[in-house]
Amino acid sequence: EDQVTQSPEALRLQEGESSSLNCSYTVSGLRGLFWYRQDPGKGPEFLFTLYSAGEEKEKERLKATLTKKESFLHITAPKPEDSATYLCAVQGESGGYNKLIFGAGTRLAVHP
Amino acid sequence: DAGVIQSPRHEVTEMGQEVTLRCKPISGHNSLFWYRQTMMRGLELLIYFNNNVPIDDSGMPEDRFSAKMPNASFSTLKIQPSEPRDSAVYFCASTRGGNTIYFGEGSWLTVV
Repeated sequence: EDQVTQSPEALRLQEGESSSLNCSYTVSGLRGLFWYRQDPGKGPEFLFTLYSAGEEKEKERLKATLTKKESFLHITAPKPEDSATYLCAVQGESGGYNKLIFGAGTRLAVHP
Repeated sequence: DAGVIQSPRHEVTEMGQEVTLRCKPISGHNSLFWYRQTMMRGLELLIYFNNNVPIDDSGMPEDRFSAKMPNASFSTLKIQPSEPRDSAVYFCASTRGGNTIYFGEGSWLTVV
C-alpha cells in the first residue's frame, strides 16, 4: 500500500531561520512526488513535481529534492508569508495514473 | 484563467438532509477528483473521473455518497442523508493528461 509520512507535524521558525521539511514515502513505482502549499481556508496550491531521484526544483525561497525514499522541502531565510501547511503527495503505479496519496502535512509558522 | 470553481463555499445543514456540492473543472481538463479533508484523516480521495466516466470510487465512504459528471464542465457530489460525521472540507480538483492536479477552494460542510 502506498504511504506518505511527513515530519515534523508542526514547525515554528524565526524569520530568516532556514530549515527543512521531510516527506518519506513508500510507493509501488513512483510516477511523481508533489509538493503543495495550503493556506487556512484555501485549497492546496501546487508548488513542485519531482519525478526521479536526484531531481531538484526551486521557487523563490523553496527548494525541493528527491531521493528513492524521501523528499525534502528546504526553506531558505523564510518570511512570515511562508507560513502555511505544506503537503506532500505521491502518484504510484498501483494507485492508478492520476491518484495522489497525501501525507498529513507540516504546519509551518514563521515569526518576525 | 479561471481555476476550479466550487459551490457552495460554506454549507450548514441538519442531520438527515440532502447535501449537493458542485464543481466546475478547469476548461480543457479531462480528469476530475473529489477529495475530503478532515483534521483526523487529512486529504482523502473519494472518487476520480476520467473523460466524465467514474474510474475509481473506492474512496466513497458509503452508499449515502454519490457523484456524477454529466458533462466535461460540471460535477456534483451528493450526500443523502447527511450525518454529523460528514462534516469536513470537500475539494474538487482537475487535471489534463495526468499532469499537475489543481484544486478548488473547497466546500466547507457542517452537519448539525
